[in-house]
Amino acid sequence: DSGVTQTPKHLITATGQRVTLRCSPRSGDLSVYWYQQSLDQGLQFLIQYYNGEERAKGNILERFSAQQFPDLHSELNLSSLELGDSALYFCASSPTGQGADTQYFGPGTRLTVL
Amino acid sequence: DQQVKQNSPSLSVQEGRISILNCDYTNSMFDYFLWYKKYPAEGPTFLISISSIKDKNEDGRFTVFLNKSAKHLSLHIVPSQPGDSAVYFCAASLSNTGKLIFGQGTTLQVKP
Repeated sequence: DSGVTQTPKHLITATGQRVTLRCSPRSGDLSVYWYQQSLDQGLQFLIQYYNGEERAKGNILERFSAQQFPDLHSELNLSSLELGDSALYFCASSPTGQGADTQYFGPGTRLTVL
Repeated sequence: DQQVKQNSPSLSVQEGRISILNCDYTNSMFDYFLWYKKYPAEGPTFLISISSIKDKNEDGRFTVFLNKSAKHLSLHIVPSQPGDSAVYFCAASLSNTGKLIFGQGTTLQVKP
């Protein structure tokens, strides 16, 4: 158990819909990261937050947005969903958000768009 | 542009033997490298890391070697155990950002 929690574990929805994925970091970690793992794809970095502020952005679609709240939990919002958005979405956390940090991953949310 | 590459999709070894997983990168600015292990239906689990100022780091059965001139790193598992069977990802980062760039992964099967 990494100490990072993600809800829900599974999510099935239809094209055009909007969903929210939730992540709670390990106790004491200030930085949260979101990654996407599509079928046959490696883990792709989406976005990083540190203490409520966006720190780094990857190839995140404009239909996707995220935020980190004062209690440090984070939410990833996916809207106007397409079939290609079906993937595993992982959240990770680390203490300082620097490159030398070890990132600890949650169990992931499996999103299926029908 | 795949900055981190794991060219072997799969590897099969006998229990007790050495497993060697390889990873190549293209960005010479990367200064921190990590290996993660992933079981099905679970998130990646951190295994071992190495800073670019070192060429070797060891933790129990796991050793990571870094060859900066070749832009290559490898993970050695000795001795391999059936419980090591999983997908192994290498990842790289820059010190000023936590963004991890992952390879495509190598599926390791350790046969009893």
